[in-house]
Amino acid sequence: TQLLEQSPQFLSIQEGENLTVYCNSSSVFSSLQWYRQEPGEGPVLLVTVVTGGEVKKLKRLTFQFGDARKDSSLHITAAQPGDTGLYLCAGAPQINDYKLSFGAGTTVTVRA
Amino acid sequence: KAGVTQTPRYLIKTRGQQVTLSCSPISGHRSVSWYQQTPGQGLQFLFEYFSETQRNKGNFPGRFSGRQFSNSRSEMNVSTLELGDSALYLCASSTRLAGGTDTQYFGPGTRLTVL
Repeated sequence: TQLLEQSPQFLSIQEGENLTVYCNSSSVFSSLQWYRQEPGEGPVLLVTVVTGGEVKKLKRLTFQFGDARKDSSLHITAAQPGDTGLYLCAGAPQINDYKLSFGAGTTVTVRA
Repeated sequence: KAGVTQTPRYLIKTRGQQVTLSCSPISGHRSVSWYQQTPGQGLQFLFEYFSETQRNKGNFPGRFSGRQFSNSRSEMNVSTLELGDSALYLCASSTRLAGGTDTQYFGPGTRLTVL
């Protein structure tokens, strides 16, 4: 059983469309991170959110941390084929806790 | 700065054998964590080493072990390999700053196949 539940598992959209990936848990996290992983590579950190209600923007990507610090979302505006990849959320239960729990991931495919 | 390097990138072993994987962290990083990634279970935490000491451990059997050297390089060992150990093994390094979150930088992984 995953501590962090990601949805949807798969997402296939046309270039230019928007998409949202969700990461939910019944547990509280001191911080939550989003990674993107491409085939044959390790995950690359996109963002870390630490404050409940926090919203961070990274170009066309918007990340939100729930008020209760139990959930998060990743929204991509005007998706491009380069956004294709496996998106993973990961949570640290406590500060200074390096034992990250990962969601199962969302495979995003953006068609040209 | 060079990234996290892992060797070998690919490995094929048979059941019952043992294997050692190596990870060199980013220069200056003293924390190394190991993860196992499989299609069924996703990314699961194995253990973390900092200053040559294991600081955290996941829920894996004792066949999985690791160590860290004085130069922060780390190795993980899996003994008596089983088919279910086939996975991508990822190593991540960080500075392990006190008092807050810390970015973990992942290597490309070692793809282990057990036949």
